[in-house]
Amino acid sequence: GAVVSQHPSWVICKSGTSVKIECRSLDFQATTMFWYRQFPKQSLMLMATSNEGSKATYEQGVEKDKFLINHASLTLSTLTVTSAHPEDSSFYICSARPTGLNEKLFFGSGTQLSVL
Amino acid sequence: GENVEQHPSTLSVQEGDSAVIKCTYSDSASNYFPWYKQELGKRPQLIIDIRSNVGEKKDQRIAVTLNKTAKHFSLHITETQPEDSAVYFCAATPNYGGATNKLIFGTGTLLAVQP
Repeated sequence: GAVVSQHPSWVICKSGTSVKIECRSLDFQATTMFWYRQFPKQSLMLMATSNEGSKATYEQGVEKDKFLINHASLTLSTLTVTSAHPEDSSFYICSARPTGLNEKLFFGSGTQLSVL
Repeated sequence: GENVEQHPSTLSVQEGDSAVIKCTYSDSASNYFPWYKQELGKRPQLIIDIRSNVGEKKDQRIAVTLNKTAKHFSLHITETQPEDSAVYFCAATPNYGGATNKLIFGTGTLLAVQP
């Protein structure tokens, strides 16, 4: 149980284009999902908290207009990197918390984004 | 906000030896402390967790200890095996009673178990 699916697993795009990443909880409902960014050999940095049916909460320094988050259902959150630039290249990973639990997080498999 | 520090950044041990990774946290409201193992290019996997009302928890070769007063917690791996080689992250969650409690990660420890 507690499987989180993330797609795509890797994507290469041209500078200036937008990329959408999907995060799905397959066997549980998740009112809250989290998006992290990870640079090589570094830790997971929280970008934003995705709340079903409401606006996402962004961490300090994260541009909400650049990283659009939509959490339209209890099993799906999407992260769209708009007008991507090479410095946006990174490993993006989502996590989901089963509704009713305040602690355990389960992670997606991550998306490696490379912007040319 | 919460800040989690983790040491060492790299750790090399011989197979069969024990490994210890230590973390400190800053927010006294944190009451949930998980440890994740991440292999290269893969998702973090929860290996053990502890809540603030418990001082120690063990699961086979893995144990975690928590000192609330000092605000630090440690991961102990005994009888290490080559497949234990990975990056280990500690994390802390300040629990304010809601589902949006954030998980703040430490900086990670690259554990290498030499055969």
